[in-house]
Amino acid sequence: GDSVTQMEGPVTLSEEAFLTINCTYTATGYPSLFWYVQYPGEGLQLLLKATKADDKGSNKGFEATYRKETTSFHLEKGSVQVSDSAVYFCALSDRQAGTALIFGKGTTLSVSS
Amino acid sequence: EPEVTQTPSHQVTQMGQEVILRCVPISNHLYFYWYRQILGQKVEFLVSFYNNEISEKSEIFDDQFSVERPDGSNFTLKIRSTKLEDSAMYFCASSADRDQPQHFGDGTRLSIL
Repeated sequence: GDSVTQMEGPVTLSEEAFLTINCTYTATGYPSLFWYVQYPGEGLQLLLKATKADDKGSNKGFEATYRKETTSFHLEKGSVQVSDSAVYFCALSDRQAGTALIFGKGTTLSVSS
Repeated sequence: EPEVTQTPSHQVTQMGQEVILRCVPISNHLYFYWYRQILGQKVEFLVSFYNNEISEKSEIFDDQFSVERPDGSNFTLKIRSTKLEDSAMYFCASSADRDQPQHFGDGTRLSIL
């Protein structure tokens, strides 16, 4: 079945460092891909999305490109801030399989000043 | 910005009791979902609901679970005869259409004693 694999955390960075969180997926169809973020004590918030190959999603300085050839959707940010500290979830939705989101395990990011 | 609201934020229940988790989806959304996250594990899909009926459910969503939209605004998840392993964070989500992003509430932490 469809699945999402994320790099294990936690990821600890200093402010202004470059961030990459790896995400790869397995899907039988043509999924849409998402990054959700969960700040402490809050719910899941959609950070960005991409619906087809080579699409780039971007929001709040974060970017991710849908790479069909490598089945990847890595999250990047050029300069992280302390306020970016959160748990980041990669997810997919495979229209052929239904509406359910399939999530990765989540990666905890901790940014220090 | 409209948001999904969930109540209560924390529910403590004795094993074997019934519990009802409540959600108010975004008002013009048509698709409703429940997910759960057991501590330290992935966010898992439970069920989706459209047009007053279940449109999709996972293997987790067995006869112990039921969902209902009792009025024009609420969407509930009922868990009968709760077990220790039902302890988890339960997230409600809604989307305007099946291809639109899902918006999540802050979750209800369910603790079964």
